[in-house]
Amino acid sequence: GENVEQHPSTLSVQEGDSAVIKCTYSDSASNYFPWYKQELGKRPQLIIDIRSNVGEKKDQRIAVTLNKTAKHFSLHITETQPEDSAVYFCAAKRGSYIPTFGRGTSLIVHP
Amino acid sequence: DADVTQTPRNRITKTGKRIMLECSQTKGHDRMYWYRQDPGLGLRLIYYSFDVKDINKGEISDGYSVSRQAQAKFSLSLESAIPNQTALYFCATSGGGLGYTFGSGTRLTVV
Repeated sequence: GENVEQHPSTLSVQEGDSAVIKCTYSDSASNYFPWYKQELGKRPQLIIDIRSNVGEKKDQRIAVTLNKTAKHFSLHITETQPEDSAVYFCAAKRGSYIPTFGRGTSLIVHP
Repeated sequence: DADVTQTPRNRITKTGKRIMLECSQTKGHDRMYWYRQDPGLGLRLIYYSFDVKDINKGEISDGYSVSRQAQAKFSLSLESAIPNQTALYFCATSGGGLGYTFGSGTRLTVV
């Protein structure tokens, strides 16, 4: 089955810096890669996703890149703000199968 | 938003007791899931259902059971609660093969 590795487990940055979270996956047939943000005490929420026919997708300060050959994808947050502090989860999904989640990255943005 | 509702939000129960966590959704999605979240372990799948007559075990189903009473309702039961089932439990739905919508979570403590 699919295996998703997510790094780092904790990331600490200064406000205004960029943050990058990386995930690798094992199943070359995976074709959908969502990212979820979970603020403290709240539910995970989908923030951005990418399909395998696209190499990059942007939404304001966040972007996701996908390298199918290397089987990895990354979340990029620019100009970080304290409200970006949260746990971020990546996932990989193949067709109608159940997605496999990474273990999460705790992002801390220091004012 | 109350489109995926979980009850109760918090629950403390004693070892050996049977407990039911409930989930209802107004998204109209066919697919529903139960996950547990533990620090450092991410989101682990307990059970999932693709429609009312379909129930499938996830990676950590031992000690749990589920019931899909209707398209909109999916309940999780702990037959005889034990302390290592203390965790945050999330219900989720999906439709069209895309990302999940999570409920607000149930924080369960078994003493």
